[in-house]
Amino acid sequence: AQSVTQLGSHVSVSEGALVLLRCNYSSSVPPYLFWYVQYPNQGLQLLLKYTTGATLVKGINGFEAEFKKSETSFHLTKPSAHMSDAAEYFCAVTPSGGGNKLTFGTGTQLKVEL
Amino acid sequence: NAGVTQTPKFRVLKTGQSMTLLCAQDMNHEYMYWYRQDPGMGLRLIHYSVGEGTTAKGEVPDGYNVSRLKKQNFLLGLESAAPSQTSVYFCASRMDRGLTEAFFGQGTRLTVV
Repeated sequence: AQSVTQLGSHVSVSEGALVLLRCNYSSSVPPYLFWYVQYPNQGLQLLLKYTTGATLVKGINGFEAEFKKSETSFHLTKPSAHMSDAAEYFCAVTPSGGGNKLTFGTGTQLKVEL
Repeated sequence: NAGVTQTPKFRVLKTGQSMTLLCAQDMNHEYMYWYRQDPGMGLRLIHYSVGEGTTAKGEVPDGYNVSRLKKQNFLLGLESAAPSQTSVYFCASRMDRGLTEAFFGQGTRLTVV
């Protein structure tokens, strides 16, 4: 079964600093990849998704992610963190061959400090 | 714009009691999912459905049953609740598989004592 691994359950950055949240997938065939964000006491909402052919994907709120097949990674970045970015971020995968399941990583809690 | 609505939002159950969580979506989506969220474990798939009248098991189906009698509704049942089922439950729906976005409900916080 395809899965994703998120390194670092908690990440803390200063406001204005670079945000880097890591996600690696396990599949010989690149799956469809997603990043979701969850604000406190809310459901998840889509930040961005990987589509074949475009290795750098731009999402909402200034986030972007780069797909690297050689590293089986899909790390999420934002050049300058804002206090409002504090949330939990989930990487998710669904098989590109047509699978039905949407599988999530364990999540990374992002803390933004002044 | 209701999207995905979960009922109830909070519930406390005694061990051995039963209950049903309701998920309703108004986007005419084919696919619906039930997840549970526990600290440090992310979202784990309980059951899912790829269309009206269909259901399938996810990663952690034991102790849960589901039904999808109507396209817009996906019910999650706990026949005999256990403390290990204390969790936050999320329902999600999407148009179909692949690259389509999943839309989530606000969650149901369930405590089993």
